[in-house]
Amino acid sequence: DGGITQSPKYLFRKEGQNVTLSCEQNLNHDAMYWYRQDPGQGLRLIYYSQIVNDFQKGDIAEGYSVSREKKESFPLTVTSAQKNPTAFYLCASSIAATLRVYEQYFGPGTRLTVT
Amino acid sequence: ELKVEQNPLFLSMQEGKNYTIYCNYSTTSDRLYWYRQDPGKSLESLFVLLSNGAVKQEGRLMASLDTKARLSTLHITAAVHDLSATYFCAVDLSGSRLTFGEGTQLTVNP
Repeated sequence: DGGITQSPKYLFRKEGQNVTLSCEQNLNHDAMYWYRQDPGQGLRLIYYSQIVNDFQKGDIAEGYSVSREKKESFPLTVTSAQKNPTAFYLCASSIAATLRVYEQYFGPGTRLTVT
Repeated sequence: ELKVEQNPLFLSMQEGKNYTIYCNYSTTSDRLYWYRQDPGKSLESLFVLLSNGAVKQEGRLMASLDTKARLSTLHITAAVHDLSATYFCAVDLSGSRLTFGEGTQLTVNP
């Protein structure tokens, strides 16, 4: 079955610790995205990547880092510099094309709680 | 500024009634997507609208796109409780990423 997996589903960390959220897709999509969602809010783009070994900052990249070493994988690290990291994190992927954005498919999400 | 605005943000309606959710966007685009999110869950794709005048229907939901007015509508016909969810529209405004609306939280009451 093709799809996007995110792990873990729930993650608990102490303040001051870095944490890495996993996102894997087997849809053969070139583009991958990370969003943050706070309770009752919409989605805010953290980082996105349209091709391996390249990525761009979204609207709220401060305190986060990513890598894109493989087409299938786009891990997100939440660093200790992120002031309010507790949130629901969603990964998405899509076909990539120049000057066009195609339908994005979402993973199940990781709910991160930092205390 | 690239902006996508949905209204209403909160909608409480009775079963059996009709209603429309509106999605306005700030600059030219011919691609618009509607998603549904159930509480605590991820986003599920509902409709892909790829041209001016596009209309898609699935069950009690119908989505349309007017690119000249920069407006999409999501019409709900004879609402049922199972439609209770948050609905997001998303628009390709920059050619490299989607911009999402704030979401419309729909509650259908018996």
